[in-house]
Amino acid sequence: AQSVTQPDIHITVSEGASLELRCNYSYGATPYLFWYVQSPGQGLQLLLKYFSGDTLVQGIKGFEAEFKRSQSSFNLRKPSVHWSDAAEYFCAVGDGNKLVFGAGTILRVKS
Amino acid sequence: GAVVSQHPSRVICKSGTSVKIECRSLDFQATTMFWYRQFPKKSLMLMATSNEGSKATYEQGVEKDKFLINHASLTLSTLTVTSAHPEDSSFYICSARGPLVGQDTQYFGPGTRLTVL
Repeated sequence: AQSVTQPDIHITVSEGASLELRCNYSYGATPYLFWYVQSPGQGLQLLLKYFSGDTLVQGIKGFEAEFKRSQSSFNLRKPSVHWSDAAEYFCAVGDGNKLVFGAGTILRVKS
Repeated sequence: GAVVSQHPSRVICKSGTSVKIECRSLDFQATTMFWYRQFPKKSLMLMATSNEGSKATYEQGVEKDKFLINHASLTLSTLTVTSAHPEDSSFYICSARGPLVGQDTQYFGPGTRLTVL
């Protein structure tokens, strides 16, 4: 069965610092991988996705993620965090049909 | 592109009443729509998948007679919570996908906060 683990429930970074949010997945075949961001009381916005090809994926708002098959990971990164990035981030794995979400990581940005 | 709306954004109702939530794809045809439920400080749990013109497929443990889903057109799906009770209070989010926006990618609505008194 598919599963997604986001080991960090909360992360706090200083504005301007770099960010890495971890995501590990369990899936039998090559997965479809996604990162979504959710602001309080809002729906989910797609940041980026990986289906195949180049393992380093660029997304919106300056985010990128790297697919590492050997580590079953799809970590999200941003070189310089802005205060507006404070939100909850969800990693998800799909099979082309359903999505399975991780528990989410809440990002706090301190000035 | 790929915008999904939900209405209402929040609703408060009395126990025993029914509530309908609409999910619309505004700029694409959604051949498939999904309904999720999100508990406070929790992740999203898929409730059901609906394909346009077909009956919805419910996840295990979701009461199909309680959560009625209709997907009668390529731009609209509705979720009706029948005889709502306080334990149905939650944040309900829909998503949609379609062939012209990437069949493998779901685009999410802003969610509906349901409070049952």
